[in-house]
Amino acid sequence: DQQVKQNSPSLSVQEGRISILNCDYTNSMFDYFLWYKKYPAEGPTFLISISSIKDKNEDGRFTVFLNKSAKHLSLHIVPSQPGDSAVYFCAASGTGGGNKLTFGTGTQLKVEL
Amino acid sequence: ETGVTQSPTHLIKTRGQQVTLRCSSQSGHNTVSWYQQALGQGPQFIFQYYREEENGRGNFPPRFSGLQFPNYSSELNVNALELDDSALYLCASSLVTAANEQFFGPGTRLTVL
Repeated sequence: DQQVKQNSPSLSVQEGRISILNCDYTNSMFDYFLWYKKYPAEGPTFLISISSIKDKNEDGRFTVFLNKSAKHLSLHIVPSQPGDSAVYFCAASGTGGGNKLTFGTGTQLKVEL
Repeated sequence: ETGVTQSPTHLIKTRGQQVTLRCSSQSGHNTVSWYQQALGQGPQFIFQYYREEENGRGNFPPRFSGLQFPNYSSELNVNALELDDSALYLCASSLVTAANEQFFGPGTRLTVL
């Protein structure tokens, strides 16, 4: 039972353009969402998070949008840079789940010159 | 500020053996979580430790066990290794007051033959 889904295994974007990574969830108890970036041979690096009481959170080039009614969130990166090429994981946690994070399967982002 | 470190980097074991993986928390963090990441999948929560006690567990059998020490470092022990235990094992540390925001180490790659 995949409670957090990232349906696009890969995404290719040109440098300078916007990257949009999507994530859907099924568990209504999730109330906190995070995005992590992972380079090969490294652990996931925390990027940005959003609480369910908000619908948008911005940090520099990264913005996360949350649509609770659709159980959908997205990560926007603008402008995209070659160094952004990595695997991006969406993760969620919530009431009754303790502090465990439930991850999606990841989206491989490639930013091309 | 020292980040999360894990040892060893790589490990090869045979089926039926036992393995111990180690993790040092980021400075000041008092909570440690362990995740298993199989190839092509997102990390899956194994368990979390706070104040040297298990503070939540995922859907893993009892042969996966752990310890947390007074200095907040941690061990993951796996008994009776199976081929499906081959994966990247990630340790993440956090503050108990902000346990959703977990900071990951580089992982230990375990191969079971």
